[in-house]
Amino acid sequence: DIVMTQSPDSLAVSLGERATINCKSSQTVLSSSNNKNFLAWYQQKPGQPPKLLIYWASTRESGVPDRFSGSGSGTDFTLAISSLQAEDVAVYYCQQYYNAPITFGQGTRLEIK
Amino acid sequence: QVQLVESGGGVVQPGRSLRLSCTASGFMFSSYAMHWVRQAPGKGLEWLTIISNDGTTKHYANSVKGRSTISRDNSRKTVYLEMNTLRAEDTALYYCARGRGSGSFLVDSWGQGTLVTVSS
Repeated sequence: DIVMTQSPDSLAVSLGERATINCKSSQTVLSSSNNKNFLAWYQQKPGQPPKLLIYWASTRESGVPDRFSGSGSGTDFTLAISSLQAEDVAVYYCQQYYNAPITFGQGTRLEIK
Repeated sequence: QVQLVESGGGVVQPGRSLRLSCTASGFMFSSYAMHWVRQAPGKGLEWLTIISNDGTTKHYANSVKGRSTISRDNSRKTVYLEMNTLRAEDTALYYCARGRGSGSFLVDSWGQGTLVTVSS
């Protein structure tokens, strides 16, 4: 199974500042057949189901604000929020969908400092 | 818009079985793979299983393989998860989710979840 490890486990950032969350996979999620990284990011707010933010490591889902961006390739990935808003308080998960079993990172809790 | 409504959760005794259902609306159900993902109280997300759009391909997480079965009825726009020999560690909120495409492993929409509590 591919193990996904996020860092840090929790993060406190001031409003308007940049937040970055890292995700590392135990093996590559870059497909040689289509040159795409099978890596997604989800946001989960309290009491709600997760919401897809980013897929193919860097493609924003429709309707997601452009302050959210994803980067990385192979085994190392980053989710960045360029200017933190109050509504961004949530737990963020990375997920590999390269192969089954699909696996998630343990989550990163993002709070306001 | 995409709507997924789970049902069938509740309190179940250890060792018993349970069948969860998820009814879809707002999209062409028969064209999409469907997933089940769970979340234990205060914990992270755990993917459980996927079924392709036509029901011919299924994959399971090791934690439920051999005691869970995913199935679907495209005429009823419903996907099911049957779990046997339930344990305390199966206590969780169970989400139904849609794959992006016929066999896609990418989850793009989620239901609100149904809570399963395994307790005597």
